[in-house]
Amino acid sequence: GEDVEQSLFLSVREGDSSVINCTYTDSSSTYLYWYKQEPGAGLQLLTYIFSNMDMKQDQRLTVLLNKKDKHLSLRIADTQTGDSAIYFCAESALQASGTYKYIFGTGTRLKVLA
Amino acid sequence: EAQVTQNPRYLITVTGKKLTVTCSQNMNHEYMSWYRQDPGLGLRQIYYSMNVEVTDKGDVPEGYKVSRKEKRNFPLILESPSPNQTSLYFCASSLSLTGVYGYTFGSGTRLTVV
Repeated sequence: GEDVEQSLFLSVREGDSSVINCTYTDSSSTYLYWYKQEPGAGLQLLTYIFSNMDMKQDQRLTVLLNKKDKHLSLRIADTQTGDSAIYFCAESALQASGTYKYIFGTGTRLKVLA
Repeated sequence: EAQVTQNPRYLITVTGKKLTVTCSQNMNHEYMSWYRQDPGLGLRQIYYSMNVEVTDKGDVPEGYKVSRKEKRNFPLILESPSPNQTSLYFCASSLSLTGVYGYTFGSGTRLTVV
């Protein structure tokens, strides 16, 4: 079945790099996404990667995809206190019905220590 | 501004009293969805809609109803709320389930059923 797994918590010091990991099960996924949820707010799309890519860089964000191991990671360089939030990994998975569905992970709460 | 608007943001109600949470999007998106977010469980899909008058159950539909009479609106109805429906609810819309767009989320509705 479909499943997206993440660790629940991560704590880093300001200025260090953060790496948030995610594993997924559906090999048919075409796109994988990272969302950020700040306190009291909805989820906001941070970045995405197409399944035929290994890496995507966007300013301080680097997404790495290991399709063989079904492992996705988000690296945040020079982590700031404003990066403290919950980060969700998601995949766009093909269903038996022929339609696609977004499957979300449980979210990783990132705490940045000053 | 392109957005998904949910109302109300906070709601406290009593068991059995029917309620409706409204959701509206101004992006002409065909796909809309409702999720609930609970600690340690991530986001679970309640119902979704592929287009006007086309709705289907998600992973946790029991106790909920939806309707899609117009493209922009997708209300969530709890006919007889129970305490186990206390949760944070999100409405989301998307132009496509397989593309780079991901979801646009509303700001959330925190519901407490006593």
